[in-house]
Amino acid sequence: DAGITQSPRHKVTETGTPVTLRCHQTENHRYMYWYRQDPGHGLRLIHYSYGVKDTDKGEVSDGYSVSRSKTEDFLLTLESATSSQTSVYFCAISEGTGYGSPLHFGNGTRLTVT
Amino acid sequence: AQSVTQLDSQVPVFEEAPVELRCNYSSSVSVYLFWYVQYPNQGLQLLLKYLSGSTLVESINGFEAEFNKSQTSFHLRKPSVHISDTAEYFCAVSDLTGGSYIPTFGRGTSLIVHP
Repeated sequence: DAGITQSPRHKVTETGTPVTLRCHQTENHRYMYWYRQDPGHGLRLIHYSYGVKDTDKGEVSDGYSVSRSKTEDFLLTLESATSSQTSVYFCAISEGTGYGSPLHFGNGTRLTVT
Repeated sequence: AQSVTQLDSQVPVFEEAPVELRCNYSSSVSVYLFWYVQYPNQGLQLLLKYLSGSTLVESINGFEAEFNKSQTSFHLRKPSVHISDTAEYFCAVSDLTGGSYIPTFGRGTSLIVHP
């Protein structure tokens, strides 16, 4: 168990509202990632972090922002939720320095934007 | 940037039959290869990985994958599947991007094992 907790597990929100998803790790790993999973698209990287206050964009970062003020927490914010952001969101951590290290995933947050 | 192609979106198979799930990636100087498995309503779990050394890697539950550099492939195989192997399988590749190893995932293959 890599000690990853995602909250909330389920969220229903209305179009135009801001939403923040939280990922918490107990292992003190440097690398953290946010992915979204959609049928037919697999997992797509939204943002990642390689340290406190060090973040970078992934392939589908538009409409999302992240923050990492502590090693253990990585927050994903949908600034103004849209229906296209309905998805399952997974947080992951890298157990090593990122150099070829596998990822450990949380159990996901299912977000529905109505 | 890397791209990963999983050639089959769904693979139905009968219990105790062999199975192969195919994965191809775009070429790169140095890559690390992974297979992950996802059971319903769960996150992904590492199944096996290739970093270096022997091109054939095995998992504890009977799966194996072979790294083929010339064909840029990393196909997953199991000689005899069980009902419990029914799951979504993802191939992933890491390469060096801007100094960080960023994993790229394929679209997944749904393995459906019938009794």
